[in-house]
Amino acid sequence: DQQVKQNSPSLSVQEGRISILNCDYTNSMFDYFLWYKKYPAEGPTFLISISSIKDKNEDGRFTVFLNKSAKHLSLHIVPSQPGDSAVYFCAASEGSQGNLIFGKGTKLSVKP
Amino acid sequence: DGGITQSPKYLFRKEGQNVTLSCEQNLNHDAMYWYRQDPGQGLRLIYYSQIVNDFQKGDIAEGYSVSREKKESFPLTVTSAQKNPTAFYLCASRDLLGFNSPLHFGNGTRLTVT
Repeated sequence: DQQVKQNSPSLSVQEGRISILNCDYTNSMFDYFLWYKKYPAEGPTFLISISSIKDKNEDGRFTVFLNKSAKHLSLHIVPSQPGDSAVYFCAASEGSQGNLIFGKGTKLSVKP
Repeated sequence: DGGITQSPKYLFRKEGQNVTLSCEQNLNHDAMYWYRQDPGQGLRLIYYSQIVNDFQKGDIAEGYSVSREKKESFPLTVTSAQKNPTAFYLCASRDLLGFNSPLHFGNGTRLTVT
């Protein structure tokens, strides 16, 4: 049973617009959430994280929102750039040192 | 440059042969992990180690073995008992002492077994 779900396998966005990637989780014990970006044939790179004591975390063009009551988080990229085209993985854990559980990923395509 | 090195990038083996994937890190991280990625799938945890000479099974450990004789190294052996060994294998490490420290990944090894 999937504890971390990314229900959209792909997303296409025009350059300069906002990209919104969504993630849902089922385990109410998860309290640390991360987003990773992955290019083909490379390892994932860490983008941004949020702990359950916050509902928003921002880093440049990237913002993560957490809705604990809905068990939902989202990653906003504004403005989107062609270089953002990649697969984005959502991950969650119990505690900041718990093992990460990953979603299946969403492939983002940003068109010029 | 600190990082995680996985070698080789591509590996081909015949069915029935064991194969060992290398992972070395110079980040001085205590914890190391092996994940597997299949098309359309997320990353699934195979094994992890939080301290030298100790390791734990992840969600899909069957058919795999690991060792952690040195802090810097965490090799993964894919044995002939692994039913579907063809996959992209990712090694990662983490600083357990840091607050909210993320996983750092290597660039992966693509294993093809025919």
